[in-house]
Amino acid sequence: DIQMTQSPSSVSASVGDRVTITCRASQGISSWLAWYQQKPGKAPKLLIYAASSLQSGVPSRFSGSGSGTDFTLTISSLQPEDFATYYCQQANSFPGITFGPGTKVDIK
Amino acid sequence: QLQLQESGPGLVKPSETLSLTCTVSGGSISSSSYYWGWIRQPPGKGLEWIGSIYYSGSTYYNPSLKSRVTISVDTSKNQFSLKLSSVTAADTAVYYCASLHDYADYWGQGTLVTVSS
Repeated sequence: DIQMTQSPSSVSASVGDRVTITCRASQGISSWLAWYQQKPGKAPKLLIYAASSLQSGVPSRFSGSGSGTDFTLTISSLQPEDFATYYCQQANSFPGITFGPGTKVDIK
Repeated sequence: QLQLQESGPGLVKPSETLSLTCTVSGGSISSSSYYWGWIRQPPGKGLEWIGSIYYSGSTYYNPSLKSRVTISVDTSKNQFSLKLSSVTAADTAVYYCASLHDYADYWGQGTLVTVSS
């Protein structure tokens, strides 16, 4: 089974900050990686798929990069609505999928 | 645009079977483009994939839950369902259904299922 890890587990940041979250897979997954944003009490929302493709309607301040085992999600200029928890998800073993443990972005 | 809605009891007794249904609207569950999945989230914790099903009935389950999970599809009703047997308090979670096209692009709102006597 492919295991996913994320770092940091939480980050405190201010509006306007650049935030980077890292996701690592236990084995190579090519570019089969997605990023989701989840706000309290809501379902996760797909932000990035195929490691770097922006889902329709997602602001361009979100970007993804990486391949193989190491991936990053970058928020170029943090906005108030971006305070949330972010999860990565591998799809290399689709239709079996695995999520990372999450990274909480909160207000500094 | 797809819409998904979970339904089922919000309270299940320990050792019993949890049963949920997801109704899909705005598209056909028989679409060859999608798998359909169940994902859960215990209170304050992360996301856990439970299993996926294709409209043909092919299923794929999380190995850690496989012995207790059954996912089925009813194409005539545009629904798919989850059964989780022998539940314990550890199965208390928000249960989401989602459309899976490699990634989960549409989600239901989620339904909280509490396991308690």
